[in-house]
Amino acid sequence: EVQLVESGGGLVKPGGSLKLSCAASGFAFSSYDMSWVRQTPEKRLEWVAYISSGGGSTYYPDTVKGRFTISRDNAKNTLYLQMSSLKSEDTAMYYCASQGAMITWFAYWGQGTLVTVSA
Amino acid sequence: DIVMTQSHKFMSTSVGDRVSITCKASQDVSTAVAWYQQKPGQSPKLLIYWASTRHTGVPDRFTGSGSGTDYTLTISSVQAEDLALYYCQQHYSTALTFGAGTKLELK
Repeated sequence: EVQLVESGGGLVKPGGSLKLSCAASGFAFSSYDMSWVRQTPEKRLEWVAYISSGGGSTYYPDTVKGRFTISRDNAKNTLYLQMSSLKSEDTAMYYCASQGAMITWFAYWGQGTLVTVSA
Repeated sequence: DIVMTQSHKFMSTSVGDRVSITCKASQDVSTAVAWYQQKPGQSPKLLIYWASTRHTGVPDRFTGSGSGTDYTLTISSVQAEDLALYYCQQHYSTALTFGAGTKLELK
């Protein structure tokens, strides 16, 4: 059974940093492209980062480019999201998700970790 | 970026009804559309990709269709467990985008 378990969320002040982790099990993690997707308090979904299976390719939307960095450790079956210069609009539930094929649909999702950016 | 518009924020239905949820893309996305279901307190779950391909384990009462800019998710006979939020997403562009969601409720 595919399992994705996120951790690392919490309350952070504007301008601060946070690193999220996602532990994967039940599938060949190193063979799959992965992404982070967030859901705002208004329930809007927004894709925020993509990484290829080997880690050599990454993509970000303009809203987080230069502030967020996605990475992975295939030996540890773990995905990461380093977030810096956080803004109030980054407040959301953050999900890691496995990609169906390259940068396409999101096949499996974790349960999410909540990030709140507030003074 | 491609904008995905779900014109109905809410839809009312009854158990056993056939219901169709629509999604319109701001440009032709060549059937590169996925659909997700999210129940309260849970993460989204993939139902459909490439507009009409069911994900593993998805019941066949869920059918996706469409082409060009217009796409539809149809539930042939709504069950109580289908009352949820439904999102469309385009995977035509590398700037992946979602619709705002349609909440399926009981009449």
